[in-house]
Amino acid sequence: DAGVIQSPRHEVTEMGQEVTLRCKPISGHDYLFWYRQTMMRGLELLIYFNNNVPIDDSGMPEDRFSAKMPNASFSTLKIQPSEPRDSAVYFCASNPAGPRSGTEAFFGQGTRLTVV
Amino acid sequence: LAKTTQPISMDSYEGQEVNITCSHNNIATNDYITWYQQFPSQGPRFIIQGYKTKVTNEVASLFIPADRKSSTLSLPRVSLSDTAVYYCLVGDANTGRRALTFGSGTRLQVQP
Repeated sequence: DAGVIQSPRHEVTEMGQEVTLRCKPISGHDYLFWYRQTMMRGLELLIYFNNNVPIDDSGMPEDRFSAKMPNASFSTLKIQPSEPRDSAVYFCASNPAGPRSGTEAFFGQGTRLTVV
Repeated sequence: LAKTTQPISMDSYEGQEVNITCSHNNIATNDYITWYQQFPSQGPRFIIQGYKTKVTNEVASLFIPADRKSSTLSLPRVSLSDTAVYYCLVGDANTGRRALTFGSGTRLQVQP
């Protein structure tokens, strides 16, 4: 398996533009997570899905952020409009169901977003 | 979710054993202890998970005392490539509550 695949790896955009980050989880994993990492705030959980259904979006910072999972193999995180303070590395992770697997998440390489 | 406390940073030399201790005083009965490693410009990587006593794999060992209020990640004979941030997490590994919360982590610097 190729692991969790995120695209793009780097994104530079101007303030006010819409940004869409993409993630393909590991096949067969039932859980998908979106994290954001900055120097100031560390790794923050934004939202996670179970079987394509959003379970907890309490970490989504504002209404400008939205996430979807239209099927088991694809998820998007959208920021509209983007702001400079959204600059961060965004990670997608997936996790299989089953006993004792709940804390073993597999992370993608991340998308480094820069909003200028 | 149980809160964890670990040192902000540690320094070591190649070939030494490194022990990173994490405190989790409010750990729940169903909680497991999990450690992740993160290299610069990469996502975190699962290292090891345990519930009690000792767990060992090809990368590390995890020591958990009987009261489970702390745990120690042991890296034998570290090399320069072990320089990374190490995160301790506590959570229920068997339920649908999968909101993994990462703390600040321990930044390990291995010197030649």
